[in-house]
Amino acid sequence: RKEVEQDPGPFNVPEGATVAFNCTYSNSASQSFFWYRQDCRKEPKLLMSVYSSGNEDGRFTAQLNRASQYISLLIRDSKLSDSATYLCVVNVYPGNQFYFGTGTSLTVIP
Amino acid sequence: DTGVSQDPRHKITKRGQNVTFRCDPISEHNRLYWYRQTLGQGPEFLTYFQNEAQLEKSRLLSDRFSAERPKGSFSTLEIQRTEQGDSAMYLCASSPLSREQYFGPGTRLTVT
Repeated sequence: RKEVEQDPGPFNVPEGATVAFNCTYSNSASQSFFWYRQDCRKEPKLLMSVYSSGNEDGRFTAQLNRASQYISLLIRDSKLSDSATYLCVVNVYPGNQFYFGTGTSLTVIP
Repeated sequence: DTGVSQDPRHKITKRGQNVTFRCDPISEHNRLYWYRQTLGQGPEFLTYFQNEAQLEKSRLLSDRFSAERPKGSFSTLEIQRTEQGDSAMYLCASSPLSREQYFGPGTRLTVT
């Protein structure tokens, strides 16, 4: 079983739509959680960390459910520039290893 | 530019040759990670260093892969006797102890 699982999509949504991605992780020792964004043929870039209480950064909201071992990302009022692959990441302690999901592809359509 | 840098950006090599990639992390970051990414997949963790100490290397793909960070600054990843299956993007990332990682642009390896 993979450490981190994501629906690869693709998600094709119109501008202004709200879209949500989910991610599940298998290791209960996972300590830190992140969402990264990766544009085509570019390196991943940190979008936001995910905190237990949930957190928001502008149009982006991240949630963590430790009991069910899943993480979510909500994007409101989608922009064309949001088109990218979104990677769910967990950090496992001890060992400090990072596990990435396969990514969810989002295309925002005009 | 104070971000993570990697060199070379692209490498084409013939099967059986050895290749070495370099990563220069953000200067104040003491953790450095190597990943491999193939098309349609997320980055796959290979190894990481805290300062010059290699704290995890069990996930290196085979004994043909090795990494060093001799002075706790830049790092190198070497692949010996390359195989076609080694073709991938090799990513380096650095982080402070806060664990948020910052990636370099990657080295794209093509083995012919």
